Amino acid sequence: DVKVTQSSRYLVKRTGEKVFLECVQDMDHENMFWYRQDPGLGLRLIYFSYDVKMKEKGDIPEGYSVSREKKERFSLILESASTNQTSMYLCASSFRVGSGFSTDTQYFGPGTRLTVL
Amino acid sequence: GQSLEQPSEVTAVEGAIVQINCTYQTSGFYGLSWYQQHDGGAPTFLSYNALDGLEETGRFSSFLSRSDSYGYLLLQELQMKDSASYFCAEDNYGQNFVFGPGTRLSVLP
Repeated sequence: DVKVTQSSRYLVKRTGEKVFLECVQDMDHENMFWYRQDPGLGLRLIYFSYDVKMKEKGDIPEGYSVSREKKERFSLILESASTNQTSMYLCASSFRVGSGFSTDTQYFGPGTRLTVL
Repeated sequence: GQSLEQPSEVTAVEGAIVQINCTYQTSGFYGLSWYQQHDGGAPTFLSYNALDGLEETGRFSSFLSRSDSYGYLLLQELQMKDSASYFCAEDNYGQNFVFGPGTRLSVLP
């Protein structure tokens, strides 16, 4: 079974703090993704990575950065947390189909509910 | 831009059939996926259509029409445990992966 784990289920931070969200997958997937999920807005892609040290911006990258130093680990960084970044953050991974970024089934982690006060 | 449209809510009774529609508008479209998410849980994959037509997986089927930029998820023999949110997701080859806003399905006894 594919397993995607995230470092925390719940996190409370203060405005201006630097926040690290970690995601680890154990299926040797090439692709990894970070989404945020807000009521009525569905899942919105923040960043994705199709290989080690590679990253691509999603729909809402502002205020976030990512790091992929190892294939199994993809980190999301909030350089200076703000209250509008309070959300559920979901990590996912998948195999890469073909030579492009097209993805196979995405497997999601349990999510991290981040509250910024 | 890229956007997908789904109904926000659907209600049906146990044993019934329900169809959740999804329309998309983008260039470079590669395929359409469907995911299920129970309250408090992570999205889980249900089906994927890269070609026009119907894909059947047990009680769930998914349909795609590229010419109409339209797809749907069909749930048959509804059960209470099917109460969840359902998301269509567009695989935009080489560009991005975009989820719709989700449809909340309530199954009544």
